[in-house]
Order: sequence, then structure tokens, then C-alpha cells
Amino acid sequence: EVQLVESGGGLVQPGGSLKLSCAASGFTFSGSHIHWVRQASGRGLEWVGRIRRKSENYGTEYAASVQGRFTISRDDSKDTAYLQLNSLRTDDTAVYYCTAYITGHQWGQGTRVTVSS
Amino acid sequence: QSVLTQPPSVSATPGQKVSISCAGSTSNIGIHSVSWYQQVPGTAPKVLIYDNNKRPSGIPDRFSGSKSSTSATLGITGLQPGDEADYYCVVWDESLGVEAFGGGTKLTVL
Repeated sequence: EVQLVESGGGLVQPGGSLKLSCAASGFTFSGSHIHWVRQASGRGLEWVGRIRRKSENYGTEYAASVQGRFTISRDDSKDTAYLQLNSLRTDDTAVYYCTAYITGHQWGQGTRVTVSS
Repeated sequence: QSVLTQPPSVSATPGQKVSISCAGSTSNIGIHSVSWYQQVPGTAPKVLIYDNNKRPSGIPDRFSGSKSSTSATLGITGLQPGDEADYYCVVWDESLGVEAFGGGTKLTVL
């Protein structure tokens, strides 16, 4: 069974940083692209970015809204992906999901990030 | 403003059929496969359809997907109260270099 478990969310002040983790099991993590998607309260799903697999040189792509502030990385030896959030703004407040694209996006349960003073 | 356009809401009564459209362009739906997701409020999304028309194991055949040119459609037959949720289409956009999400469609089962 595919499982993705996000952690690391919490309350942070504007301008602060946070690092989210996504622990995976039940599939070949190293062979999968890993995405991060967020959802602000009452809003739709917003793609944050993705990291490709090793065979594609771990290439990354990001949404324009987070480019230069967020960084996605992965450790295939630990079956874990990460999302480093820097220079956080109040409009980054959302539930953050990691997904693995296997037969469609498989989703974790999400971790909540609140940016507030 | 999403690059994929979905109707904000659709409604139907139990047992009926409903279709949800997703309009894109030649840089996304025109060249890449579409997937569809169901999100019940307060829960994580769940994949219903991938590669335009394939259902993961465990998804009933009441759910179907199709694609034509630069548009895709999710069909749901035999509507049930439990189908009340938000539905999203998703596809890679080659021009923008992003995974594009539709704005979502709220399905109400009357």
C-alpha cells in the first residue's frame, strides 16, 4: 500500500523558515517524481513544485509564486522528500501535501503551515 | 487564473449522471495525459482517473474519463450522496513547465 506521511508543519512568523518532510513507503520511491501541492483554507489545490527521479538528475520545477523561496529535495536512501520554505508570507498559509505520481498522484494526509505574527 | 477551466459547480439527483469538463490548450491537455481527483472536504484528494481514462484499483466503474483535443471530461453515473465533493483535473503544461490544476468543481447531490 502506498503511504506518504508529511510532517514539520506549524506556526511561523512572516519572513521565517520551515522544513517539511514527506516519508514514503509501499512503492519504489527512487523511481517516482515527487510533488508538493498546497491548499489554503476554502481554496482550490495549488501546485508548488516537483523533484524528478535520479535518472532525470533530480531536476526541479516550481510554481512562480514560490520560485526562489522554496526548495524541494529528496533522499532516496531514506525514501523521504523535503520542502524547505524560506521567506514565508501570510499567503503561504495552507495545508501542504506531498504526492508521488504513480497511477496518478498518490497523496499524503497533509501538514498545516500557518504564517502569522 | 488557472490554465485549466472547470465549471465552479454542478448538481444532480441520486442515480443520475453528471459530467465535469476541463478545458485546456495545446500545451497541456493537447499533448499530455489528464488525471482527475476527488476531494471530500477536510480530507486529502484521491485519484479517480489517470492517463485520461484509466481507473486505479478500487475505483468503481461509475467513474470514467475521456479526452478530446484540448478538453477532458469526467463522467459519474449512478450518483450517490457520497459522491458530493470537489473534483479537480490535473495535467502537465509544457509551455509553463508546471503541473496545472483546474480550479475545481463542487458536485452537489441534491
